[in-house]
Amino acid sequence: NAGVTQTPKFRILKIGQSMTLQCTQDMNHNYMYWYRQDPGMGLKLIYYSVGAGITDKGEVPNGYNVSRSTTEDFPLRLELAAPSQTSVYFCASSYGGGGQGYTFGSGTRLTVV
Amino acid sequence: GQQLNQSPQSMFIQEGEDVSMNCTSSSIFNTWLWYKQDPGEGPVLLIALYKAGELTSNGRLTAQFGITRKDSFLNISASIPSDVGIYFCAGQLTTNAGKSTFGDGTTLTVKP
Repeated sequence: NAGVTQTPKFRILKIGQSMTLQCTQDMNHNYMYWYRQDPGMGLKLIYYSVGAGITDKGEVPNGYNVSRSTTEDFPLRLELAAPSQTSVYFCASSYGGGGQGYTFGSGTRLTVV
Repeated sequence: GQQLNQSPQSMFIQEGEDVSMNCTSSSIFNTWLWYKQDPGEGPVLLIALYKAGELTSNGRLTAQFGITRKDSFLNISASIPSDVGIYFCAGQLTTNAGKSTFGDGTTLTVKP
């Protein structure tokens, strides 16, 4: 199994540009999450989804949007990129929401210049 | 929101030494999780703890769920070079859609 796949691995954006970070999982997990990791910091939750068609904001949602049209895919959209969005973005999934750990993707390193 | 304090921030140890790190919270969690992150990769789950006082091992790793439910500890025995990486603790509430609150990580360097 591939697990959680994120694309692209690296990207440089100019201020004001937009992009979509892709995330797909093949484990039939209901729960999916987007976190960002800034240098020397832990992971901060951006958005999450408990199933297809259901999404909700996390701790740091401003400047981002998500959709969940299928169980497998959970793309993260950045509109009007800003330097403060320079970070490493991780997508994660879990089968249930009750105390299970995550399977993480390998991340997307985004730089906004 | 909930905050986790993870310490130490970094550790430099000699191969073969034992390592201890801990995580404390201002509020209670139902589940404590420990992850390891290698450079350029996503975190990988090492140990999950579900009950206050629980002690769980995974090879040379041992983790404990504090009896107050506000802290957790991770020990690594007889460290080896491949233990190098960033170790994260995370807390979850079972009523919170599986959302995790993460500590800022402990960076471990092992000198051969």
